[in-house]
Amino acid sequence: DIQMTQSPSAMSAFVGDRVTITCRASQGISTSLAWFQQKPGKVPQRLIYASSSLQSGVPSRFSGSGSGTEFTLTISSLQPEDFATYYCLQHSTYPFSFGQGTKLEIK
Amino acid sequence: EVQLVESGGGLVQPGGALRLSCAVSGFTFSSYDMHWVRQATGKGLEWVSGIVIAGDTYYSGSVKGRFTMSRENAKNSLYLQMNSLRAEDTAVYYCVRGSWGYYGSDDAFDIWGQGTMVTVSS
Repeated sequence: DIQMTQSPSAMSAFVGDRVTITCRASQGISTSLAWFQQKPGKVPQRLIYASSSLQSGVPSRFSGSGSGTEFTLTISSLQPEDFATYYCLQHSTYPFSFGQGTKLEIK
Repeated sequence: EVQLVESGGGLVQPGGALRLSCAVSGFTFSSYDMHWVRQATGKGLEWVSGIVIAGDTYYSGSVKGRFTMSRENAKNSLYLQMNSLRAEDTAVYYCVRGSWGYYGSDDAFDIWGQGTMVTVSS
């Protein structure tokens, strides 16, 4: 099974900061990786698919990159509404698997 | 409007069974893979199971042999039969749209239902 290691598990940042979250796959998954944002009590929302494609309606400050085993989600300038938990998901090989999540808090 | 609506959650005793349903509307259900994802309170997301267009099913190790996923294209419905339930199966269960077509794509997991709560407790 493919393990997804997401880091950091939690972080705090200021509004306006540039933030990067990383996911590492235990084996190659090409670009079959998506990023999700979840706010408390809400359904997860897809931000990025195919590693780097921006979901329609998602602000351009969000970007994704990577292929194979290393992937990153970058928020170029944090906004107050971006404080949430972020998850990566590999859907290259069954069983699919999520990263453990990154809780992004305001500093 | 594209919509996924889960139902069937509730309280069940350990060792019991429950059947979740997901009613789909707004897209050609038969042309998409579908998935169940769960989330225990205060915990992360966990992929549970998936079914492809051809009907093949896949499961996480934690539910394999206990859960059975199926689809009924004529009724635009997805199901998850959960047997031998354990306390650790307590979670919100989400129905999620997968990729389109027989060969799949990297455009998947875009549409999520609101979830249905399953509580396993005596």
